[in-house]
Amino acid sequence: SQQGEEDPQALSIQEGENATMNCSYKTSINNLQWYRQNSGRGLVHLILIRSNEREKHSGRLRVTLDTSKKSSSLLITASRAADTASYFCATPSGSRLTFGEGTQLTVNP
Amino acid sequence: EAGVVQSPRYKIIEKKQPVAFWCNPISGHNTLYWYRQNLGQGPELLIRYENEEAVDDSQLPKDRFSAERLKGVDSTLKIQPAELGDSAVYLCASSLDQAGSTNTGELFFGEGSRLTVL
Repeated sequence: SQQGEEDPQALSIQEGENATMNCSYKTSINNLQWYRQNSGRGLVHLILIRSNEREKHSGRLRVTLDTSKKSSSLLITASRAADTASYFCATPSGSRLTFGEGTQLTVNP
Repeated sequence: EAGVVQSPRYKIIEKKQPVAFWCNPISGHNTLYWYRQNLGQGPELLIRYENEEAVDDSQLPKDRFSAERLKGVDSTLKIQPAELGDSAVYLCASSLDQAGSTNTGELFFGEGSRLTVL
């Protein structure tokens, strides 16, 4: 069963704009991870945020975590065409890492 | 450093035929995962190994799927016989730490094996 759910399912923006994707989950977690998947490729780890952290930055990525609302957001600033991909949040469910359905981001040149 | 290597990248078979996928994890990674990803969905765990021991195979359809991890390194996932609904991408991943731990928990994925069952 899916632990995390991403919103929106699909997002289309212009190059240079910011993209925000949201993830909601159901049970308590000790960390939450975001992954990117380019078409036809494997998943690539982007960032991990621990339950005692509220915000984390990595280059053009900003991740927030609100454990009281059981939600996280991924912000990509100044998007580029190369950011076009599917983005997944992943949460530990017991000893298992469970992925959401993903957000398909399209960045138009 | 080499990443997770999977083969074959693509496989097309008739239903009821067998198929096998191979995975070589990153050197030194003790944990290995097989995920299945259907089109437009997120990956779903089939089986997780800690070294050579399968510690979570609750979602592996054991009537037709089998897996092994030889000497705690390479792994093979087999389907026999394949059904139409098995068409998907089979992803292998490895990690140094258990996914639910408070350490990195980062998974490193291979490029996947895309299976089409006709």
